[in-house]
Amino acid sequence: GIQVEQSPPDLILQEGANSTLRCNFSDSVNNLQWFHQNPWGQLINLFYIPSGTKQNGRLSATTVATERYSLLYISSSQTTDSGVYFCAASTGANSKLTFGKGITLSVRP
Amino acid sequence: DTGVSQNPRHKITKRGQNVTFRCDPISEHNRLYWYRQTLGQGPEFLTYFQNEAQLEKSRLLSDRFSAERPKGSFSTLEIQRTEQGDSAMYLCASSLIGQGVEKLFFGSGTQLSVL
Repeated sequence: GIQVEQSPPDLILQEGANSTLRCNFSDSVNNLQWFHQNPWGQLINLFYIPSGTKQNGRLSATTVATERYSLLYISSSQTTDSGVYFCAASTGANSKLTFGKGITLSVRP
Repeated sequence: DTGVSQNPRHKITKRGQNVTFRCDPISEHNRLYWYRQTLGQGPEFLTYFQNEAQLEKSRLLSDRFSAERPKGSFSTLEIQRTEQGDSAMYLCASSLIGQGVEKLFFGSGTQLSVL
């Protein structure tokens, strides 16, 4: 099955800093999503982005499907951005997603 | 807007007991997924339904695991004869298939502890 790798595994930022989180995947994808798991365990869907670029407020994401990677950009980080960011992908026409191990982000005030 | 609801939030059971978890998806969503997450890992796909049809169950961890979605609305996940290795967070998610986009929305999960 598809392999999903995320980097870096951990990231510490000062409030207000920008960051880039990377996701590499091993096969062509029909479905790629980014999630934020907050400290209470809730998974929040950030983007559905199998290709192209999207923006939502301070967050944006780009997937270059031909090169098999996706990037999540966080600008002007806030302490509430802390948590684990997951990239997840599927090669089929469904959401049988394979998740990466996640990137743990800590934003310090 | 009511999100995905899971009950109970926490379940503590003794090894060998059966447990059942419930998931109520977002009302207009036609697909429902079950995932399992262990500490320090990303969620792992278990099974999914489109309406009442279970489209894949080969990833259920053993024959002790079963899931139903009897009327295409809520779903239950049952684990029989629980083992300590079943301790994990069990997550339910739902989606609406439309125009080639399938965005997944997760519930808060049921944390299972097997003693």
